Amino acid sequence: QLQLLESGPGLVRPSETLSLTCTVSGDSISGGPYSWGWIRRPPGKGLEWIATFYYTGPTFYNPSLKSQVTMSVDTSRNHFSLKVTSVTAADTAVYYCARQFVVPGTADNWFDPWGQGIMVTVSS
Amino acid sequence: DIQMTQSPSSLSASIGDRVTITCRASQSISNYLNWYQHKPGKAPKLLIYAASTLQSGVPSRFSGSGSGTDFTLTIINLQPEDLATYYCQHVHSIPLTFGGGTKVEI
Repeated sequence: QLQLLESGPGLVRPSETLSLTCTVSGDSISGGPYSWGWIRRPPGKGLEWIATFYYTGPTFYNPSLKSQVTMSVDTSRNHFSLKVTSVTAADTAVYYCARQFVVPGTADNWFDPWGQGIMVTVSS
Repeated sequence: DIQMTQSPSSLSASIGDRVTITCRASQSISNYLNWYQHKPGKAPKLLIYAASTLQSGVPSRFSGSGSGTDFTLTIINLQPEDLATYYCQHVHSIPLTFGGGTKVEI
C-alpha cells in the first residue's frame, strides 16, 4: 500500500528557508503515469496547491509562490522535497505531499493518496 | 487564475439527511473537477474525480455531478463518519485551485 510521510522542522524563523521531505513507500516515484505534488493549508484557510513534479519531467509551480519555492525529486532515495525561501508568517501551514495521477493525453488529474501532513510554524 | 467558489461554507445536518454542496468555477472547466474529504488530523481523501467518477472504495452514498462551471457533491443518507470538510478542486489549468471548503457538522 502506498504511503507518503512528510518530515521537516515544526518551527522556522522568519526569513529562513523551510525544507520539507516526502518519503514514499510502497511504490517507486520514478514510474509514470504518477506525478508528485505539494499542497498546504494555512490555519483557518483552505487548501493551496504549491507545486507538482510531472512524471514527464517538468515541474510546475503555483505562480503566486514560484519565486519562493523549489521542488526536487530524488529517485534513488524514493523521496521528493520542497524548499520555501524567505519564509514569513504567511507560510505557516500544514504541508501535505501527495501522489498525483495524471491521465495521459488529458488535463485530468487528481491527488491520491495524501500524506498526513506536517504542521510548520513560522515564528521568531 | 480560475477561482472556485463553494457554498455553503458550513452546514448542519442530521443522520440520514441528504446533503448538497455546490462548487462554481469562474470560467468553464469542462469536467476537470475533483472532490476531497478532509477530517481533522487526517490526510485529505479523494472522493470523486472527473466531476462524477467515484474513487474506488468510496461509499456509493457520495455522488458528483456537473460540467462547465457548476458542480455538485451530494451525500445521501448522511452518516456520522461523514463529519468533515469537503473541498472541490479544478485541474483544468495551472494554477490548480481549491474551493474554500464546506464544513459538514452533524
